[in-house]
Amino acid sequence: DAEITQSPRHKITETGRQVTLACHQTWNHNNMFWYRQDLGHGLRLIHYSYGVQDTNKGEVSDGYSVSRSNTEDLPLTLESAASSQTSVYFCASSPGGARELFFGEGSRLTVL
Amino acid sequence: AQTVTQSQPEMSVQEAETVTLSCTYDTSESDYYLFWYKQPPSRQMILVIRQEAYKQQNATENRFSVNFQKAAKSFSLKISDSQLGDAAMYFCAYIYSGNTPLVFGKGTRLSVIA
Repeated sequence: DAEITQSPRHKITETGRQVTLACHQTWNHNNMFWYRQDLGHGLRLIHYSYGVQDTNKGEVSDGYSVSRSNTEDLPLTLESAASSQTSVYFCASSPGGARELFFGEGSRLTVL
Repeated sequence: AQTVTQSQPEMSVQEAETVTLSCTYDTSESDYYLFWYKQPPSRQMILVIRQEAYKQQNATENRFSVNFQKAAKSFSLKISDSQLGDAAMYFCAYIYSGNTPLVFGKGTRLSVIA
């Protein structure tokens, strides 16, 4: 079955370190997204991509970057982790248009 | 920019009773889609129901139904015969028909009381 997987599921890191969260989907979806979930804020969009070599900033993109070198993967990088980036991160994909999103299981990141 | 508002941070319902979760949105578009997602304690995001704005008929999925009021920009979710497994965070979401990202509300945490 097609799926979307995130790794690691849990990570603890220190302030200032670089962190990369992986996202891999096997649906061959063009569209991929990264959201962060925080209490009282719901899900907020970090970055998204509509295809290979395409990336776009979301509403909370500061301190994050993504790259899209193939259809299956959209890794999210925190160049210098900050305590404010402690959160649960969700990757999602969709076939495009106004179709619903398919979500990964989330990655809980703690920055100490 | 489009916004989605869920005015009820928390709600509770007795098992077997009916509960309605509210959602309003702001858009200048006429062609769009609305969703309700459920997030149980497992953290997995599960699509509950989907509504196309051009359809006047309200969507239903078993015990879940919506009351879509396009003019009022309102999209409420009704859960009938509530079950313990319905306890979760519920998110309302909006997407324009073009290739734009899904916009979420802040969520409503639903508790089901046995």
